[in-house]
Amino acid sequence: DIQMTQSPSTLSASVGDRVSITCRASQSISSWLAWYQQKPGKAPKLLIYKASSLESGVPSRFSGSGSGTEFTLTISSLQPDDFATYYCQQYNSYSETFGQGTKVEI
Amino acid sequence: EVQLVESGGGLVQPGGSLRLSCAASGFTFSSYWMSWVRQAPGKGLEWVANIKQDGIEKYYVDSVKGRFTISRDNAKNSLYLQMNSLRADDTAVYYCARRGGSYHDSWGQGTLVTVSS
Repeated sequence: DIQMTQSPSTLSASVGDRVSITCRASQSISSWLAWYQQKPGKAPKLLIYKASSLESGVPSRFSGSGSGTEFTLTISSLQPDDFATYYCQQYNSYSETFGQGTKVEI
Repeated sequence: EVQLVESGGGLVQPGGSLRLSCAASGFTFSSYWMSWVRQAPGKGLEWVANIKQDGIEKYYVDSVKGRFTISRDNAKNSLYLQMNSLRADDTAVYYCARRGGSYHDSWGQGTLVTVSS
């Protein structure tokens, strides 16, 4: 099974900061990677798919990059609404795994 | 507007069974793969199962193989998860999700399953 490792687990930041979260796959997954945002008590929300494609309606301050085994989610200027937990997810050969999550806090 | 509404969660004893349902609306249900994803209290997301549009191809995470069965009824726009031989570590919020390719583009609000004596 493919393992996904996110870093850091927790990220302390301020409004206006540029922040980056890394996700590493245990083997190559090409560009089959998605990023989600989840707030407490809510369902996850899709932000990025196919490593770098922005989901419709998601602010352009969110961006994704990478391929193979290393991927990055970047928020160019952190807004109050962005304090949440972020997960990466890989899809390969009809199986999926999520990263353990990165909590972005003040 | 895409809507996914889960139901059927609750408290069940270890070894017991439960059937979750997900009612879909706002899109052509029969055109999409569908999934169940769960989240244990205070923990991260875990994919549980996927089912193809025709209901024939199904895939499961190893920890639920042989105990859980995903199914769908395209005529009723509904997705199901039959859970048998439940264990304490199956306790989680279970989300129904639409697969838009290799990712989940719409999610329900979740239903809580608690396995405890």
